[in-house]
Amino acid sequence: DTGVSQNPRHKITKRGQNVTFRCDPISEHNRLYWYRQTLGQGPEFLTYFQNEAQLEKSRLLSDRFSAERPKGSFSTLEIQRTEQGDSAMYLCASSGSYTDTQYFGPGTRLTVL
Amino acid sequence: AQSVTQLDSQVPVFEEAPVELRCNYSSSVSVYLFWYVQYPNQGLQLLLKYLSGSTLVKGINGFEAEFNKSQTSFHLRKPSVHISDTAEYFCAVSDRNGGFKTIFGAGTRLFVKA
Repeated sequence: DTGVSQNPRHKITKRGQNVTFRCDPISEHNRLYWYRQTLGQGPEFLTYFQNEAQLEKSRLLSDRFSAERPKGSFSTLEIQRTEQGDSAMYLCASSGSYTDTQYFGPGTRLTVL
Repeated sequence: AQSVTQLDSQVPVFEEAPVELRCNYSSSVSVYLFWYVQYPNQGLQLLLKYLSGSTLVKGINGFEAEFNKSQTSFHLRKPSVHISDTAEYFCAVSDRNGGFKTIFGAGTRLFVKA
């Protein structure tokens, strides 16, 4: 068990560019979650997957955001036409089917200039 | 919908003193309750959780929390803190029937002074 990994750990981009983040969950976990955390705030739920199915999306997830989990393993979160307000830490978590405990990755810190 | 309120944004305390971090929640359905800790430049780590049964829950690093349904509270306590407990603490709830989507509070910064 290597834990949840996220890449890259840091991303600096210019406004208007597209960015993509990757999350590799714990191997036997079929649920995967994305959260966003801004400075001084708790994580905010964005979306979650059970296997490859995206079961819920937050209203926070505008149409510039898209997440995929094509084979039910790793997931990607893409932000198109980034804005300065997208600057945040993007957290990924995973859990098993019959457990309530989510295990978090270290996050990807996005800075939009 | 659920919401979580952490009543203190910062809690300074001297080493070996007791501490309580307060958390209130609101929900129209039954929930699970959690406390997570986030050390500087690290990911979130689960401290403890309440699912059902005994309202007093013990977690890692000597922390415990008590679920109070009538007051919709889930306060975190430790009888004697260490410098190494300095971190951000998050209270969270998830809907028992909602796929375990978790709603977090804004966090409480615990600062332990020597």
